[in-house]
Amino acid sequence: DARVTQTPRHKVTEMGQEVTMRCQPILGHNTVFWYRQTMMQGLELLAYFRNRAPLDDSGMPKDRFSAEMPDATLATLKIQPSEPRDSAVYFCASGFTTVSYNEQFFGPGTRLTVL
Amino acid sequence: GQQLNQSPQSMFIQEGEDVSMNCTSSSIFNTWLWYKQDPGEGPVLLIALYKAGELTSNGRLTAQFGITRKDSFLNISASIPSDVGIYFCAGQNLNYGNKLVFGAGTILRVKS
Repeated sequence: DARVTQTPRHKVTEMGQEVTMRCQPILGHNTVFWYRQTMMQGLELLAYFRNRAPLDDSGMPKDRFSAEMPDATLATLKIQPSEPRDSAVYFCASGFTTVSYNEQFFGPGTRLTVL
Repeated sequence: GQQLNQSPQSMFIQEGEDVSMNCTSSSIFNTWLWYKQDPGEGPVLLIALYKAGELTSNGRLTAQFGITRKDSFLNISASIPSDVGIYFCAGQNLNYGNKLVFGAGTILRVKS
């Protein structure tokens, strides 16, 4: 049963600390997405990669957020320094996408709390 | 920017009843997806729609891609307690690559 995995599932940290979230996409998927979910804003796309190349990170605050795919089995989202307003659930999703085929499969999320 | 309006915001129904929810957009979408999210979990893909007018079923779920390409609906027939959760629509416009825009969600509660 292929699934997207994310670690950690929960993270509590203090303002100013660095946070790194990791995602293992489903084997064979060519596209990886990072989303953030909050009560106020709902699900927002932060960034996505196809074949490990960043295609769009316009949804990401670039002064503190960075996303990378060091290899096909690992995507990372880093926040440095973290702020209380970054508290949210961060989801990774993957899919085998083309221009017109876009089914995305979500991981269980990382619940981040910044104190 | 692209926006989706999803309604209703929430529903509290009796077990066995049918449910209908919909999403509308101010712009045309090429793809509509419907997801369900349980507490503490990520959204799970229920149905994907790729053609205007397309009607697709997945068990007791049926979704349609509106002819105008600006709307989609999801029906759940004969609801059961495990249907409880948040249902999201998501749309893709090819001009924006693989970006999905999500609706705000419909919270479904079922009385047994």
